[in-house]
Amino acid sequence: EAGVTQFPSHSVIEKGQTVTLRCDPISGHDNLYWYRRVMGKEIKFLLHFVKESKQDESGMPNNRFLAERTGGTYSTLKVQPAELEDSGVYFCASSQDTGSAYEQYFGPGTRLTVT
Amino acid sequence: RKEVEQDPGPFNVPEGATVAFNCTYSNSASQSFFWYRQDCRKEPKLLMSVYSSGNEDGRFTAQLNRASQYISLLIRDSKLSDSATYLCVLRSGGYNKLIFGAGTRLAVHP
Repeated sequence: EAGVTQFPSHSVIEKGQTVTLRCDPISGHDNLYWYRRVMGKEIKFLLHFVKESKQDESGMPNNRFLAERTGGTYSTLKVQPAELEDSGVYFCASSQDTGSAYEQYFGPGTRLTVT
Repeated sequence: RKEVEQDPGPFNVPEGATVAFNCTYSNSASQSFFWYRQDCRKEPKLLMSVYSSGNEDGRFTAQLNRASQYISLLIRDSKLSDSATYLCVLRSGGYNKLIFGAGTRLAVHP
């Protein structure tokens, strides 16, 4: 069974540009999460989708970040315009259901560098 | 104050050693607790859940003290392959987001 996949694995953009990250969850997983780790800090939650609906977006840093999950399958996270402090590793995770009994499986991450 | 506090390490230990990591958390409403492992430039992977009664998985033992808001991980007979960053993670009641500590780095040497 394929795991969570993310594209691209790396992205280097200039400040002010736009970047779109993609996440494909494990097939059949209704729950999709975005997290990020900025340099020297802990991994932090961004938001949680249940199917195509945003269940919790309390971690989204500001309105330069837009997440979508049309059709309840893959998700995209767009950063527009990118700022230097957006550099970090963006992880996507998925789970079959919610609750501690359901493991969140993480993708390999997208390493974003804003110059 | 951070929600989850961990000693960043690194812990440098020889093969075969026993090593223990500790973690404290600030939100008493936290319901679920986990240890994740993260290899360099890789994604976090669940190592084990932590239960109030304590639990063991091979060489790994995890314990939770709710009164002191403290979690521990004990690794016995360390292997070179145990070298990684160990992340203390919790989930608060009513929410599904995971809250991560910054991690403790372990380096096992021959």
